[in-house]
Amino acid sequence: AQSVTQLGSHVSVSEGALVLLRCNYSSSVPPYLFWYVQYPNQGLQLLLKYTTGATLVKGINGFEAEFKKSETSFHLTKPSAHMSDAAEYFCAVSQRVGSARQLTFGSGTQLTVLP
Amino acid sequence: ETGVTQTPRHLVMGMTNKKSLKCEQHLGHNAMYWYKQSAKKPLELMFVYNFKEQTENNSVPSRFSPECPNSSHLFLHLHTLQPEDSALYLCASSQGLAGGGGELFFGEGSRLTVL
Repeated sequence: AQSVTQLGSHVSVSEGALVLLRCNYSSSVPPYLFWYVQYPNQGLQLLLKYTTGATLVKGINGFEAEFKKSETSFHLTKPSAHMSDAAEYFCAVSQRVGSARQLTFGSGTQLTVLP
Repeated sequence: ETGVTQTPRHLVMGMTNKKSLKCEQHLGHNAMYWYKQSAKKPLELMFVYNFKEQTENNSVPSRFSPECPNSSHLFLHLHTLQPEDSALYLCASSQGLAGGGGELFFGEGSRLTVL
């Protein structure tokens, strides 16, 4: 079975400060990893994904994430928070189960950006 | 404006009512999904359709009945729901299945309240 753990259901940062949202997964096989963002009253939107290749992945809006196999982590970072980054962020993991791949979402982290 | 449109955006229904949620995607994708989003819980996959064929039913109660007449349209028929079914129902589509690394494109959701 696979699982996704997002540490911290709520994170607050000051505008201009570093954003760090944590995601750990359990997987016995190489996973595909995703970060999605949900703004108020909207659906989810893909920020970035890792499937193969370079372990540091750059996404939209200045976000990036690094796949660390030894730590089973895929933390999301942004050097300088902007007020418009306030949203809920979801980490997701896809791994092979039998002949197919299944996608599992974490519980989400609500990011608040303080002026 | 997204390529996935859901109607209605808000729905209030009694436990004995019958209603339907509609989803339409304008992206030419072959896979469509229904997800349930409840407060404080991870996103729950309900149904997956690939080329109009249902490929996943995640142990969803029979009071939820999906219909996929073509690759662009997806319905969720609701009858004799329970108050705990109140949630945001999200439709998504992808080119290639999401578990295989395909990006999910979400609609804005239908907020369902069951009285």
